[in-house]
Amino acid sequence: GQQLNQSPQSMFIQEGEDVSMNCTSSSIFNTWLWYKQDPGEGPVLLIALYKAGELTSNGRLTAQFGITRKDSFLNISASIPSDVGIYFCAGQSLNTNAGKSTFGDGTTLTVKP
Amino acid sequence: NAGVTQTPKFQVLKTGQSMTLQCAQDMNHNSMYWYRQDPGMGLRLIYYSASEGTTDKGEVPNGYNVSRLNKREFSLRLESAAPSQTSVYFCASSKDRNTEAFFGQGTRLTVV
Repeated sequence: GQQLNQSPQSMFIQEGEDVSMNCTSSSIFNTWLWYKQDPGEGPVLLIALYKAGELTSNGRLTAQFGITRKDSFLNISASIPSDVGIYFCAGQSLNTNAGKSTFGDGTTLTVKP
Repeated sequence: NAGVTQTPKFQVLKTGQSMTLQCAQDMNHNSMYWYRQDPGMGLRLIYYSASEGTTDKGEVPNGYNVSRLNKREFSLRLESAAPSQTSVYFCASSKDRNTEAFFGQGTRLTVV
């Protein structure tokens, strides 16, 4: 089946630093999604990308849909303590009859004040 | 708006017991999903329902069954629980294909 490689697995950064994480796949995806999961909660969508090459921002977050359709990255600028959590990438292919996603294993972010 | 509601939030089962996890969404979404999340891993799809009246296996369906009761509700059943099914289970829904999913808060299941 499809697999996503998400890196890094974890990050420990100082408040104010920028963060970058990425996902790569052996398969082509038509949609890339980035989610954040807070402790004890379900994942919440941060950014959705629908077109190869697309660069989208949401506040301090920026994500890009790779031109090959096999990768995506997420950047967080000027991190703050509430950025702590697990970040997941997810890809969706066109060959599906539902919007089911393949998820990466997550990047756990720790922000030190 | 409640969004996606899962019950129960916590459950402890003995090996061999059965139970049903309930999920309901109030967003009039067509598609619904059940995922499990294990430590250090992403979410793995157990079953999904593209629309009312249809269900399909996902990546890890063994040991589970599902029912799409109506457009709002999608339940997950463990017929004979095993310790390997100890996990956090998430229900999600999406409007259509290739749209983002909205997740419930999860059910933390322990099988002893």
